[in-house]
Amino acid sequence: GDSVTQMEGPVTLSEEAFLTINCTYTATGYPSLFWYVQYPGEGLQLLLKATKADDKGSNKGFEATYRKETTSFHLEKGSVQVSDSAVYFCALSANAGGTSYGKLTFGQGTILTVHP
Amino acid sequence: GAVVSQHPSRVICKSGTSVKIECRSLDFQATTMFWYRQFPKQSLMLMATSNEGSKATYEQGVEKDKFLINHASLTLSTLTVTSAHPEDSSFYICSARDDRLPSNQPQHFGDGTRLSIL
Repeated sequence: GDSVTQMEGPVTLSEEAFLTINCTYTATGYPSLFWYVQYPGEGLQLLLKATKADDKGSNKGFEATYRKETTSFHLEKGSVQVSDSAVYFCALSANAGGTSYGKLTFGQGTILTVHP
Repeated sequence: GAVVSQHPSRVICKSGTSVKIECRSLDFQATTMFWYRQFPKQSLMLMATSNEGSKATYEQGVEKDKFLINHASLTLSTLTVTSAHPEDSSFYICSARDDRLPSNQPQHFGDGTRLSIL
């Protein structure tokens, strides 16, 4: 079945440092890929998405590129802020044709803490 | 943007009580909603897919009689945890799929319900 693997956390960075959170996936066909962010005590917010190979999703300085050849969707930000401290989830949604169509499969989440 | 309202945000109750959690799509119709459970410092586990006008589809290992789902309208799904016990304590999150969009587009999430059973 479909699966998503994220880099182990937690990740602790100083403000203005470069961030990379690795995400790789296993799926049949061509899934859509997402990054969601969860702030303490809250639900999930969509951070960015990519629906086909080589698409780059971007939002709030975060970027991720859909790499089919490496089945990856790594999240990057050039300069993190304290307010970026949260849990980040990589997820995929299977495309039409499978029994999992539309369901989200999540990675295990990566806790990011940014210090001033 | 699209908003999903989940209520209540926090519930503390005694063992044996049944608890109902509501999930509403506020500015779009959602034939399909999803219910997730999240344990501390862990990922989201899909419990069931809620379908308006038909029975919910439960994931393997989720007790249907324990977690009752009712999707009574195109904007409301409810999850009832029946006869809750301490092991049911968790963070429950719903999401909704906008009927106007393809099914592989982002779902919209509620803010979650923290359930604590004493």
